[in-house]
Amino acid sequence: GQNIDQPTEMTATEGAIVQINCTYQTSGFNGLFWYQQHAGEAPTFLSYNVLDGLEEKGRFSSFLSRSKGYSYLLLKELQMKDSASYLCAVRSGNTPLVFGKGTRLSVIA
Amino acid sequence: AAGVIQSPRHLIKEKRETATLKCYPIPRHDTVYWYQQGPGQDPQFLISFYEKMQSDKGSIPDRFSAQQFSDYHSELNMSSLELGDSALYFCASSLGSFSSYNEQFFGPGTRLTVL
Repeated sequence: GQNIDQPTEMTATEGAIVQINCTYQTSGFNGLFWYQQHAGEAPTFLSYNVLDGLEEKGRFSSFLSRSKGYSYLLLKELQMKDSASYLCAVRSGNTPLVFGKGTRLSVIA
Repeated sequence: AAGVIQSPRHLIKEKRETATLKCYPIPRHDTVYWYQQGPGQDPQFLISFYEKMQSDKGSIPDRFSAQQFSDYHSELNMSSLELGDSALYFCASSLGSFSSYNEQFFGPGTRLTVL
């Protein structure tokens, strides 16, 4: 099975930078995804990492270290609309995604 | 761009009734996934189909069944509904099997309330 851990809640200030960590334990690692989900809405894809290193996409970046079973999502220049849950999801082999419980981010003025 | 379509968006049923949820994937996507998300919970994988065949099975109760049709749309059939079945049900679609990178695009979800 897979064990995915992320902080339950985080608070950050508008315009700041926030890093959301995700640790996982799995066999046959085959990719890590980050999704954003606003309350009552569908998850939307943010990033995908399968090799070690940093993937940058606008204000959002995601980092992966396979040897450490660790990833983080970095959000820069925070905006109020970034208040949402951020889900880390891991795929092992050919199995479907397993989601972490999500980190609820609150952006305050 | 076309997205995943789910219907109905909201559904209210009573205990022991049945419900059918429909999912229309993005055109040319051949893989459909069903997830259940309870209040404050993460999405839990239920079942998936690739090219109209069941490709994987997660925590789907025996009371539920699903299939993917020739036009790639999928239906989730839920019988003997229980109060605990109240949740958001998401359908996601992707192109390709699990063996290749395939971003899953989620539909807007169906909110099922069982009274």
